[in-house]
Amino acid sequence: SAVISQKPSRDICQRGTSLTIQCQVDSQVTMMFWYRQQPGQSLTLIATANQGSEATYESGFVIDKFPISRPNLTFSTLTVSNMSPEDSSIYLCSVVWGQGRQDTQYFGPGTRLTVL
Amino acid sequence: SQKIEQNSEALNIQEGKTATLTCNYTNYSPAYLQWYRQDPGRGPVFLLLIRENEKEKRKERLKVTFDTTLKQSLFHITASQPADSATYLCALDMSPYKYIFGTGTRLKVLA
Repeated sequence: SAVISQKPSRDICQRGTSLTIQCQVDSQVTMMFWYRQQPGQSLTLIATANQGSEATYESGFVIDKFPISRPNLTFSTLTVSNMSPEDSSIYLCSVVWGQGRQDTQYFGPGTRLTVL
Repeated sequence: SQKIEQNSEALNIQEGKTATLTCNYTNYSPAYLQWYRQDPGRGPVFLLLIRENEKEKRKERLKVTFDTTLKQSLFHITASQPADSATYLCALDMSPYKYIFGTGTRLKVLA
């Protein structure tokens, strides 16, 4: 299995500022994913981050707003830029462990972001 | 577009009873369907995966069924315990490594 940690666990930020969330995995993985979970909503995939290539963003999410870095096989960051109260959410990173579509997906504990 | 429906109302059951949660989906026919458990303040934890050609999957006290004709999955917890209280999410694979999640159903097992 994979153990994932995230920093910070929570933060309260002012409108217009940016926050960088870190995700650390205890094993080398090819693909890492960033999700958002807004209050009372389901998890929504923001982007897929592969080491050595640009992140792939889902519809409705853009690199200028959510820049992602993936410097190595165990680490990734997601930045929430120019924040507004609508960005208040839980941000989760995840990895898929195994091969093929029937892999197990492991999630980090999440970062709870509140934007004032 | 694909839509997943889980009962948004909380499900309260007595300890020892079987809890049954429902996941309905429209449009797409997924190859896999997964169930996760999420506790407050934590990320989802993978529980079970069932393939489209499997009718039923079991793991200890958990059982998942998958009816591709009805476009429905049922998630059962037998002999439920207060420790089973959590939110349970279903997820469909839209393509390799891309999942869409339901909003989850909150289960509360009463002692």
